[in-house]
Amino acid sequence: SQTIHQWPATLVQPVGSPLSLECTVEGTSNPNLYWYRQAAGRGLQLLFYSVGIGQISSEVPQNLSASRPQDRQFILSSKKLLLSDSGFYLCAWNAGMEDTQYFGPGTRLTVL
Amino acid sequence: DQQVKQNSPSLSVQEGRISILNCDYTNSMFDYFLWYKKYPAEGPTFLISISSIKDKNEDGRFTVFLNKSAKHLSLHIVPSQPGDSAVYFCAASKHLHPGTYKYIFGTGTRLKVLA
Repeated sequence: SQTIHQWPATLVQPVGSPLSLECTVEGTSNPNLYWYRQAAGRGLQLLFYSVGIGQISSEVPQNLSASRPQDRQFILSSKKLLLSDSGFYLCAWNAGMEDTQYFGPGTRLTVL
Repeated sequence: DQQVKQNSPSLSVQEGRISILNCDYTNSMFDYFLWYKKYPAEGPTFLISISSIKDKNEDGRFTVFLNKSAKHLSLHIVPSQPGDSAVYFCAASKHLHPGTYKYIFGTGTRLKVLA
């Protein structure tokens, strides 16, 4: 069966510090991968998606970036965090032409 | 531009009764709709979905209804159980590339089932 992992589970970072969040999927190959953010009191917003290694599409302009160095690894990064980057970050995947996306456990990021 | 709206931020229902969660959307190009359940500090869990070619999909205690003319979908939970207490998100899907889909999520409805 497929599983999706995210780490760290929680993170507290000062403004201006860098960020690296990691997501890995097990039990499948060539998944489509997604990064979402849920800000306080808001719905989930798609940030990036990837259809393959090295292929990244951005949905929302911001100071975040994403990379996919391996087939089942998706990384969300920032060089300098802003207060507004605080939120709950979720990684998701779907297989092939399947519509349904499956989410990881999430990372709670607090920028102080 | 909120394309998917859940106008009720919270709902309380007595155990054993029906829970009805509502969702409205504005874009007629959406072709697939989903409901996710989310507990605090956890990722959303897929619950049930419906294609735009259908008007009803049922899975155990959960039924999703789609009214395309009204651009409205609803999730019915019967009977409601205390373990159903969570935040429920509806999502509408549109294609990005073949096999990839952009989900537009509503802001969620917090359901509380009272024992």
